[in-house]
Amino acid sequence: GENVEQHPSTLSVQEGDSAVIKCTYSDSASNYFPWYKQELGKRPQLIIDIRSNVGEKKDQRIAVTLNKTAKHFSLHITETQPEDSAVYFCAATIQGGKLIFGQGTELSVKP
Amino acid sequence: DAMVIQNPRYQVTQFGKPVTLSCSQTLNHNVMYWYQQKSSQAPKLLFHYYDKDFNNEADTPDNFQSRRPNTSFCFLDIRSPGLGDAAMYLCATSSNFQETQYFGPGTRLLVL
Repeated sequence: GENVEQHPSTLSVQEGDSAVIKCTYSDSASNYFPWYKQELGKRPQLIIDIRSNVGEKKDQRIAVTLNKTAKHFSLHITETQPEDSAVYFCAATIQGGKLIFGQGTELSVKP
Repeated sequence: DAMVIQNPRYQVTQFGKPVTLSCSQTLNHNVMYWYQQKSSQAPKLLFHYYDKDFNNEADTPDNFQSRRPNTSFCFLDIRSPGLGDAAMYLCATSSNFQETQYFGPGTRLLVL
């Protein structure tokens, strides 16, 4: 069935460094790719999303890139700060419009 | 200005005792979703409504039911909770498929 693979499962960086999280998807019809940040005990919150007609999107320190041919997309966080520490989920729509989530990446930013 | 509201935030129930979780939205979105999220895992879709049209995921246990009496409200009924049903239950809404899903704060269910 359709799935989304996310790597790495854990990521530790020093404050100020960059963090990159990568996802691959299987459904070639997927055309919407959101990224959610979830702090402990809180709801997932959308931080950035990209549609299939765009290759890259940036919002301040956060950027997402999409390679439809290879069926992978990545989240880039620059100048990381301790408050960026959280679990990040990628997702992709599948036929019928539902979201399939990746397994999550626990990001730890050390001061 | 909360957009997706879930009640209660914490629910304790006994093994086998029916429980209902509620979700409401002020966004007038067509689609409402229920997800189950266990510790350190991704949200898992249980079912969704597009308006009144209900869609159950193939692997959602029969123990889980849902109702959507109107656009604003959606309920998750767990008929006979087991210990394995202890989880965070997240409601989400979107204006349409392939659009941004907005999550509620979740209800954490504990089964004793």
